[in-house]
Amino acid sequence: GAGVSQSPSNKVTEKGKDVELRCDPISGHTALYWYRQSLGQGLEFLIYFQGNSAPDKSGLPSDRFSAERTGGSVSTLTIQRTQQEDSAVYLCASSSRAARGLAGPPSTDTQYFGPGTRLTVL
Amino acid sequence: KQEVTQIPAALSVPEGENLVLNCSFTDSAIYNLQWFRQDPGKGLTSLLLIQSSQREQTSGRLNASLDKSSGRSTLYIAASQPGDSATYLCAGGTSYGKLTFGQGTILTVHP
Repeated sequence: GAGVSQSPSNKVTEKGKDVELRCDPISGHTALYWYRQSLGQGLEFLIYFQGNSAPDKSGLPSDRFSAERTGGSVSTLTIQRTQQEDSAVYLCASSSRAARGLAGPPSTDTQYFGPGTRLTVL
Repeated sequence: KQEVTQIPAALSVPEGENLVLNCSFTDSAIYNLQWFRQDPGKGLTSLLLIQSSQREQTSGRLNASLDKSSGRSTLYIAASQPGDSATYLCAGGTSYGKLTFGQGTILTVHP
């Protein structure tokens, strides 16, 4: 079946502009995660969705970052007034993991990653 | 706060050699420990997932172990091949899937 897809694959923008990054998870996966991978910081967690709600958004670096998920499927990560330090690869992952506290088979913990969006802020 | 460290940062070996990648974590209350592979310019591929109640997992030439008491995990690759060349990442997971990653080990297997 289809894996996790992300668009665009590359985005070059000017400092101060807003950008939107899209993630299409695997159909039926209720859990969705955004991560950021940069040279200096490695791979960092940004936000976690279970369905359309975000129980953990602790990794969002500033209030310029926001994310939403609609219909329990597609998610959009928005960065407002982009800065050069926002340049990174933004990765999305999904899993069939149930909500926190609900037991599920270990296989549901496996996260499937998309190819990422490489964001360059000039 | 969970912190994950991987050693070595880079490793170069001849084809056919057995090798071990190391991962250590500070919070022993991890829910699971996962190993991923990342090829240049691509996303991550899950290799092995070890639940906190398990000691090891095996898949083909790969074997991962977990010792929660010492905060360590190892990934053993048997009979390495040039196609194994990639960056290997370990990550500690919470009960709802939030992953904390190490910096990765860049593996090069030369013919």
